[in-house]
Amino acid sequence: GAGVSQSPSNKVTEKGKDVELRCDPISGHTALYWYRQSLGQGLEFLIYFQGNSAPDKSGLPSDRFSAERTGGSVSTLTIQRTQQEDSAVYLCASSLGWGQGAREQYFGPGTRLTVT
Amino acid sequence: QKEVEQNSGPLSVPEGAIASLNCTYSDRGSQSFFWYRQYSGKSPELIMFIDSNGDKEDGRFTAQLNKASQYVSLLIRDSQPSDSATYLCAVLNAGNNRKLIWGLGTSLAVNP
Repeated sequence: GAGVSQSPSNKVTEKGKDVELRCDPISGHTALYWYRQSLGQGLEFLIYFQGNSAPDKSGLPSDRFSAERTGGSVSTLTIQRTQQEDSAVYLCASSLGWGQGAREQYFGPGTRLTVT
Repeated sequence: QKEVEQNSGPLSVPEGAIASLNCTYSDRGSQSFFWYRQYSGKSPELIMFIDSNGDKEDGRFTAQLNKASQYVSLLIRDSQPSDSATYLCAVLNAGNNRKLIWGLGTSLAVNP
């Protein structure tokens, strides 16, 4: 596609429910990243994928958070037993890879998650 | 000390002036430096990146890098009201940990 797409754009869920957030990266981009941004705060790194592998999961806030990527393309971020502190905008980005000129990350529009 | 620091602002400049945005970083092994712009309620969009000491120009934007001083800046010439946004500095962590380290951003207001 022309850019990174994310769905849903908005999600309101009740505390304790599970949610799945989807990211479709730019075609041909092998690296994919998940971040979250709380209101007025900076970007918080969650996890990245190189292909289908996740070399760095250090940013996941707790074991309620998990992510997978299949076919080197679409990624899903799952939050189990959501808590109010999970409310934020979840951003996905992709890049060509790691070489010169390939590290620039391009962001999707984000998913605004509200836990009530 | 935060790994990437930016003045939160707001930085206010008149239309047509040069806006200067600054960023310092703590990891001397950092390799690449990125500037993103984020409008309120939108996702970050890449402006430019710089790898080597010195200046890199792209249209009205110039990135400046000084690795010895661990300092990177973004100059915006002929500032326009549409440049009003938060500017995020991001630094690529060297080694196997290839994630970007982000500053909290500087809010820029360009006044007509």
